[in-house]
Amino acid sequence: EAGVTQFPSHSVIEKGQTVTLRCDPISGHDNLYWYRRVMGKEIKFLLHFVKESKQDESGMPNNRFLAERTGGTYSTLKVQPAELEDSGVYFCASSRSGLRGELFFGEGSRLTVL
Amino acid sequence: GDSVTQMEGPVTLSEEAFLTINCTYTATGYPSLFWYVQYPGEGLQLLLKATKADDKGSNKGFEATYRKETTSFHLEKGSVQVSDSAVYFCALSDQGSQGNLIFGKGTKLSVKP
Repeated sequence: EAGVTQFPSHSVIEKGQTVTLRCDPISGHDNLYWYRRVMGKEIKFLLHFVKESKQDESGMPNNRFLAERTGGTYSTLKVQPAELEDSGVYFCASSRSGLRGELFFGEGSRLTVL
Repeated sequence: GDSVTQMEGPVTLSEEAFLTINCTYTATGYPSLFWYVQYPGEGLQLLLKATKADDKGSNKGFEATYRKETTSFHLEKGSVQVSDSAVYFCALSDQGSQGNLIFGKGTKLSVKP
């Protein structure tokens, strides 16, 4: 079975530009999560989809971040406009229902904002 | 709020040495506890878990016991291998959450032949 895939693996943009990160979860996984790791800090939760619905977006830093999950399949995370403090690694994870905490992670998308 | 504290790295060991990575947690409810591992160039993957007090999670020679009295979930392995070199993350999922994980900062382990 294919794992969680993320694209791009690395993105370098200027402050004020827009970036869109994409995540393809494991087929059949209703739950999709976005996390972020800023250098030297913990991996922090951003938001959680169940199918196409946002179940919890309490970790989203501000309204410059917009996440969508079209038709309950892949998800995108857009940052617009990007700021320096948005730099970090963005992880996507998916899971089946009923297995609390047992997440399958992608390799992450590294974002560098200059 | 809930939090996880794990020992700072990096940790460097020789092959066949004993490994302990300390992890303590703070939670208001009855969390499930996890160890995730990230090998170079890969995503995080679940190593082991424990869902209630005194449970022992184990996998690939690694073990961790859920200690409620000390709020700890220390990771141990009796004899590490070079292939165990990776970053290890302790995490919890609170009882009331939807599976969202709270992570520690991670501990980088390097095992030398």
